[in-house]
Amino acid sequence: NAGVTQTPKFQVLKTGQSMTLQCAQDMNHEYMSWYRQDPGMGLRLIHYSVGAGITDQGEVPNGYNVSRSTTEDFPLRLLSAAPSQTSVYFCASSYGGDQPQHFGDGTRLSIL
Amino acid sequence: GENVEQHPSTLSVQEGDSAVIKCTYSDSASNYFPWYKQELGKRPQLIIDIRSNVGEKKDQRIAVTLNKTAKHFSLHITETQPEDSAVYFCAARGLKAAGNKLTFGGGTRVLVKP
Repeated sequence: NAGVTQTPKFQVLKTGQSMTLQCAQDMNHEYMSWYRQDPGMGLRLIHYSVGAGITDQGEVPNGYNVSRSTTEDFPLRLLSAAPSQTSVYFCASSYGGDQPQHFGDGTRLSIL
Repeated sequence: GENVEQHPSTLSVQEGDSAVIKCTYSDSASNYFPWYKQELGKRPQLIIDIRSNVGEKKDQRIAVTLNKTAKHFSLHITETQPEDSAVYFCAARGLKAAGNKLTFGGGTRVLVKP
C-alpha cells in the first residue's frame, strides 16, 4: 500500500493563479481531510469529507474548494492564489472519525 | 467549536529524563485524543491515542492520561532519547463535530540534549 499520496511536493505560484493539489489514498478510508501548517504553528483544518459526495468546511475554508467524487481522491483547489496561502498542505485519511489519521508527505506551496 | 490549548510551546530535557506535555480542550463531549510526532520537514505521525472511556494508556516509553472532569490530557515520555526530539501535537475530536474534524493544539517543540 502506498498510503496517502500527495502531488506535487513543491509548487511556486504567482498571485492570482489557480491550481489543484492532489491527494489519493489506497486504504479504502471513508474520511479525508486537508490541513495547512504555517511555520511554527499547528495544523488547521481547511475542508474534510466523510465519504464520496460529502464535503464540509473546516476552520479556514476561504479561498479553497474541494470535491470527493471517489473514495480514493480528495483534491484541493486554490481558486485565486494569495501570498497568505503560502504554507505546507497536508492531506490525511482514516477509517472513521475516532480512528488514527494517516498523513501524506505534504505539499510545500509558495505564492509570490 | 472545539478549542485545544497545548503547553509548553518548547521543552528542553536532558537525555534520560522525562518529558510531559499538557493539553486542555473545551468540548466536554470530546471522545478521541490522539498525539502526533512531527520531525523536521516530515509528516505528522501518530504515536499514541486515547478514547474517552479510558483514563490512561501506555506504549513502551510513552503514556497518555486523560482527565475528563478537568478536560485535560497529557503525554508522558520517559527515559528520553535524542531521537525523541521533534514537535509533538495533541488533538481532540468533539462529539458534536461530524466526521473526522480534529482540532489540533499549537504544538510543543521537544529538544533532548545528549
